Formats: sequence, C-alpha cells, structure tokens
Amino acid sequence: GNSVTQMEGPVTLSEEAFLTINCTYTATGYPSLFWYVQYPGEGLQLLLKATKADDKGSNKGFEATYRKETTSFHLEKGSVQVSDSAVYFCALPNTGNQFYFGTGTSLTVIP
Amino acid sequence: DTGVSQNPRHKITKRGQNVTFRCDPISEHNRLYWYRQTLGQGPEFLTYFQNEAQLEKSRLLSDRFSAERPKGSFSTLEIQRTEQGDSAMYLCASSFLGRSGELFFGEGSRLTVL
Repeated sequence: GNSVTQMEGPVTLSEEAFLTINCTYTATGYPSLFWYVQYPGEGLQLLLKATKADDKGSNKGFEATYRKETTSFHLEKGSVQVSDSAVYFCALPNTGNQFYFGTGTSLTVIP
Repeated sequence: DTGVSQNPRHKITKRGQNVTFRCDPISEHNRLYWYRQTLGQGPEFLTYFQNEAQLEKSRLLSDRFSAERPKGSFSTLEIQRTEQGDSAMYLCASSFLGRSGELFFGEGSRLTVL
C-alpha cells in the first residue's frame, strides 16, 4: 500500500529560522499529498495539500511542492514563529478510504 | 460549526473492563473515521463509516473492538475486555464526501488501561 517516510524529530529552531521537514512517499499512481498539524492540546488539522505532481500547497506561510521525480513533499517555511511549535504529519490516501500518516515531526521554536 | 467533539477526553480503566467512546462529527459530514495514535506515532486507521454504514475495518481492529454509527450521526467505539496494549489516544475525524483529504479531527479520547 501507499506510505510516507517522514523526517524524525524533534526539531528545535530559533524564531525567524528557516524550516524544512522532509517527507518522501511510496504510492501507486499519483495520489494527493497532505500535511496535517497538531498544536498542543488540539486535534489534527489540515495545513496544506497538493493534488497532482508539481502542485504547490501553501498556507500560513508554509509551502510544500509535490515532486514526482524525487517522490517527495517536503514542508518549508521561510521564517518560523513561536506559534508554529507543533507536531507536523505528512499523509496520503492509502487503500480504500484510509489515510496513511507519517510518524510526525515535533517542532519547537524558541524566542 | 462546533467542530468534531469527542467524549470522554480521558478514561482510566482497569484491565478487563469495557470502555466506550463517543464522537459527534460536524453535522453535515457524512463520513466518519476512527484512528488510534500511540506516543511518537502517527494516527493509524481503525474504521470508516459513510452515513450509517461501516464500510472499512482495519486488521488492527480486533474482535474486542466494535464501532457503530446509528442513524449516520454520532458514533461510538467500544472496547471490550481492555488490555494494557489498548492504551492510546483514540481519534475521531469526519469529512464531507467530495472533499478528499480534508479530515476534521476531534481532540481525541485518551485511554489508559492499568
């Protein structure tokens, strides 16, 4: 089935630093790809998505580009803030209506 | 839109007891999912409903687990004869048919089996 491999954390950055969280996928065909975020004490929420190769998803200053050649969907942000501290999950549809989530990458941003 | 609501938020039980979790999805959503999440892992799919029909079940879902969604509204997840290995966060998510991938999650119900 489809799966993702996500960069292990935790990641600690200073405010305004550049962020990259790596995600690579294995899939049959070209499914949509997603990043979900879980802020402390809250449920997971969709951060961004890309539905086809070369698409770029973006939201709240975060971006990720669906790269077919490298089977990657890395999450980036140019200047992180303390409020970005959260756990980030890469995800894609698996068989049927299941979603496969990566193991999550914990980000802590220090002022 | 009040979001996805899960109750109870935290349940502590003794091994061998039965527990039930409830999920109230966003009202217009016809799809409902249960996931399980353990520390340091991503959510793992358990089961999926479209309206009141349970259409998929993971092999993770042993015979001790049962889920229902009567009338296609709220859902319950029951675990019978709990084991310590059942300790986890149980997540409910809902979505609207046609918006693939936009799962709306509740805050989860944490189960601790002593």
